[in-house]
Amino acid sequence: SAVISQKPSRDICQRGTSLTIQCQVDSQVTMMFWYRQQPGQSLTLIATANQGSEATYESGFVIDKFPISRPNLTFSTLTVSNMSPEDSSIYLCSVEEWGRTSTDTQYFGPGTRLTVL
Amino acid sequence: RKEVEQDPGPFNVPEGATVAFNCTYSNSASQSFFWYRQDCRKEPKLLMSVYSSGNEDGRFTAQLNRASQYISLLIRDSKLSDSATYLCAVDNTDKLIFGTGTRLQVFP
Repeated sequence: SAVISQKPSRDICQRGTSLTIQCQVDSQVTMMFWYRQQPGQSLTLIATANQGSEATYESGFVIDKFPISRPNLTFSTLTVSNMSPEDSSIYLCSVEEWGRTSTDTQYFGPGTRLTVL
Repeated sequence: RKEVEQDPGPFNVPEGATVAFNCTYSNSASQSFFWYRQDCRKEPKLLMSVYSSGNEDGRFTAQLNRASQYISLLIRDSKLSDSATYLCAVDNTDKLIFGTGTRLQVFP
C-alpha cells in the first residue's frame, strides 16, 4: 500500500489561530480524504479531496473552517481555521487504492494530534 | 439508528481464547466492508476486507450476513498483541462510514 506521511505529527495551538496540516503520499492517488477523530470517538469524515476539483465537505463541516488544497496527485493540505478548544482532535488523511482484494480500500496516514488551548 | 454500530466493549479475554465481534449497518445497498485495527494513539490499519463468501487470514475470520446486515470478525487463539480497538467500516455512496470500534484486551 501507499506510504503516507503527515506533518506536523502534533501541535499545541492557541485559540483563534490556524494550523495547516500536510499529507504526502509516495504514489499518485485520485481520492484523498480528511478525517477527524475526537478523543474516545470513531472517525468522522470531514471532506473528500480530489485533484483538480473543489473538495466535497460532509454535513457539519464548511470550507471557511476547514479549507483544503489538493494541488497534485500526491499532496493535500487541511487547514483548521480560527481554532477553539473543541477542535482538539486527531486529524487523519487517507488515500484510496485499488487493493489486492479488488476493492477500493482506504489507507491512513499517521495522524496529526492537535491540542487547542 | 446509526449507520454503523458496534459494541464498544471492552472485551477482556485470556490468551488463547476465541473472541468474536459484530458490526451492524443500516444501508442495505452497501457493497464493501472492512475491518481495521487501531492501536492506542495510532492510525487505523486495514486488517481485512470482508467478502460475501467470508474470508480467513490466519487466526482472523471475517463474515458478512447481508440478510441481517452485519459483519463479524472472529479471532482465534488470541495473543497479547491482539489488544487493540477494532473498527468496522462500511461503504455508503463512495465514502466509508466507521463504527465507534470495539476494544479488545487480551490478558495473560
